[in-house]
Amino acid sequence: DTGVSQDPRHKITKRGQNVTFRCDPISEHNRLYWYRQTLGQGPEFLTYFQNEAQLEKSRLLSDRFSAERPKGSFSTLEIQRTEQGDSAMYLCASSFGRGDTQYFGPGTRLTVL
Amino acid sequence: AQKITQTQPGMFVQEKEAVTLDCTYDTSDPSYGLFWYKQPSSGEMIFLIYQGSYDQQNATEGRYSLNFQKARKSANLVISASQLGDSAMYFCAMRDHTNTGNQFYFGTGTSLTVIP
Repeated sequence: DTGVSQDPRHKITKRGQNVTFRCDPISEHNRLYWYRQTLGQGPEFLTYFQNEAQLEKSRLLSDRFSAERPKGSFSTLEIQRTEQGDSAMYLCASSFGRGDTQYFGPGTRLTVL
Repeated sequence: AQKITQTQPGMFVQEKEAVTLDCTYDTSDPSYGLFWYKQPSSGEMIFLIYQGSYDQQNATEGRYSLNFQKARKSANLVISASQLGDSAMYFCAMRDHTNTGNQFYFGTGTSLTVIP
């Protein structure tokens, strides 16, 4: 399977804990994106990378959110001191070439108790 | 102002009929892209179609076509010959640019139900 993969698919954590999600993009894609999607809403753009450079991070939701893509391949999204409001689906996408057409992974569903 | 507006929370269509899902957008960037995605109940986002702001012709991909009216800032999705498997949420999205880089916006979606 050469699509975008995300791990874990589901994460349940207690309020105040830190969580980290991983995304592996399609191998030839140089751009990688993170989104959050809450129930009944469209995806909300958080940040994106071109290779290892994080080109846009002004829309990360707070300083508790951070993302890395150290070698320009996989990426991680970390949420520190989780809050119940962080419960959502976290989507990763990757793209290459014309139009920045993004292909999405299956998402990580986070539940904060 | 909303960057992407989808005014139809829910739509119904008879199987084999065509349906149009509305989308309007707002940007001052002359170079932008418009996308439609399908999200079935299983949750994955599936890319359907792309239209660039400088493209002269409306995009088509199989049964999907994008009715791009630049002056009206609308990018409606037309699905022809609806199938039961088309029942899903449909999201319109836009890419534009600011001085901090590319920005991406999604609408709130339209839930399409295909009736047998």
